[in-house]
Amino acid sequence: DQQVKQNSPSLSVQEGRISILNCDYTNSMFDYFLWYKKYPAEGPTFLISISSIKDKNEDGRFTVFLNKSAKHLSLHIVPSQPGDSAVYFCAAKSRGSTLGRLYFGRGTQLTVWP
Amino acid sequence: DSGVTQTPKHLITATGQRVTLRCSPRSGDLSVYWYQQSLDQGLQFLIQYYNGEERAKGNILERFSAQQFPDLHSELNLSSLELGDSALYFCASRPPGQGYEAFFGQGTRLTVV
Repeated sequence: DQQVKQNSPSLSVQEGRISILNCDYTNSMFDYFLWYKKYPAEGPTFLISISSIKDKNEDGRFTVFLNKSAKHLSLHIVPSQPGDSAVYFCAAKSRGSTLGRLYFGRGTQLTVWP
Repeated sequence: DSGVTQTPKHLITATGQRVTLRCSPRSGDLSVYWYQQSLDQGLQFLIQYYNGEERAKGNILERFSAQQFPDLHSELNLSSLELGDSALYFCASRPPGQGYEAFFGQGTRLTVV
């Protein structure tokens, strides 16, 4: 049972435009959400996170939005750059658990073309 | 470089065999987490160790076991291997305390033939 869902396996965006990656979850016990980025032949690397008590968190070109009522979060990348091309994983932590014990989506392959 | 080291990077073995995957966490990190990523799947949590003790278990098969040694490195043992065990196996570590995200190793790609 997939508790974190990324319904778009791939996204293609032109350099300089906005990339929006979406994620839905089903478990109301999730209290912290993270985005990880993964390049080929490398492990996932942490990108940005948001607590369930917030609805927005920004870090440079990356912004994560959380809509708790819809159980939906999104990652915005503005402006997109070719180096952003990677697989992006949405992940969630359950209340009472640690930040290493996460539920992951299947990932979205982002391709940013010049 | 995340500072988490996994060996080997690639492993090919036959069905029914047993393999051991090794993970060295970042210096100072007491927690180690193991994840499995099968083809086109998200990472699935297998098991967590903290300072040598098992702390949490996920969907880990009975054929799989793990341990964390006094020097904090960890090993994941997979036995009676089946074709479906072919996957990427990631190890992650994180420092003690709240508010610290996990750092992942490069993974071990296991192919069972």
